[in-house]
Amino acid sequence: DAGVTQSPTHLIKTRGQHVTLRCSPISGHKSVSWYQQVLGQGPQFIFQYYEKEERGRGNFPDRFSARQFPNYSSELNVNALLLGDSALYLCASSGQETEAFFGQGTRLTVV
Amino acid sequence: DAKTTQPTSMDCAEGRAANLPCNHSTISGNEYVYWYRQIHSQGPQYIIHGLKNNETNEMASLIITEDRKSSTLILPHATLRDTAVYYCIVRAAGGSNYKLTFGKGTLLTVNP
Repeated sequence: DAGVTQSPTHLIKTRGQHVTLRCSPISGHKSVSWYQQVLGQGPQFIFQYYEKEERGRGNFPDRFSARQFPNYSSELNVNALLLGDSALYLCASSGQETEAFFGQGTRLTVV
Repeated sequence: DAKTTQPTSMDCAEGRAANLPCNHSTISGNEYVYWYRQIHSQGPQYIIHGLKNNETNEMASLIITEDRKSSTLILPHATLRDTAVYYCIVRAAGGSNYKLTFGKGTLLTVNP
C-alpha cells in the first residue's frame, strides 16, 4: 500500500507569491492534517480535515487555508508568502481508529 | 492536551538499550501517551502508544508509571538507524479530531 504522498517535495517561491501544496492520504483514511515545521522546532498543527470539513485549526494567520476533496486528498494554500513561511510542511492521514501517518513533507523556501 | 517534558538530548551506545523518559504530570484520564520519531528531514514515524498498561511492539516498549505522570520509551537494542528526534505526545485517542501537539523532543544519538 502507498503511504501518504505529498507534492512537490521541494519548492522555492518569492515573497508575496502564493503556493499550493498537495497531499494524498493512505487509502481508506478520511482525515488529513497539516503541520508546519521550522528548523529546530517540532511540527506545529495548522489544520485538520475530516470528511471534507474543517475539524481543527491551529494558531496560523488567515493567509493559510486548506480544503479536502471528495477523494480525501487535500491542498494547503498559503497566500502572500513571507520569509518566515519557509519550513517543512507535513501532511498526516489517519483513519477512525488508526494512528496518524505522515508523508515526507514539502520543503518550502521563500526568498 | 497535556504538556510533556523531555530531555533535550541523550546518547546511547549501539546495541545497548535506549531509555527515553517523558513527564506528563497533567495527563487526563482519557489521554493516551504517544511516541513518534523523526529521522533527519523525514516525516515523523509512529512508534507506539499506551493508556496505562505497558505496551510492546516490534519497534519498542512503553512503560507508563502507575500514576501515569511519566513514561519511558525503551528501544531494546539501539542501532545507528535509531538516531532521531523522539517526541512524546499526550492526546485523547480515537474520534474524528486528530491533533498532535509536538514539543521539541529528545535528540537520541546512537554511537558506534
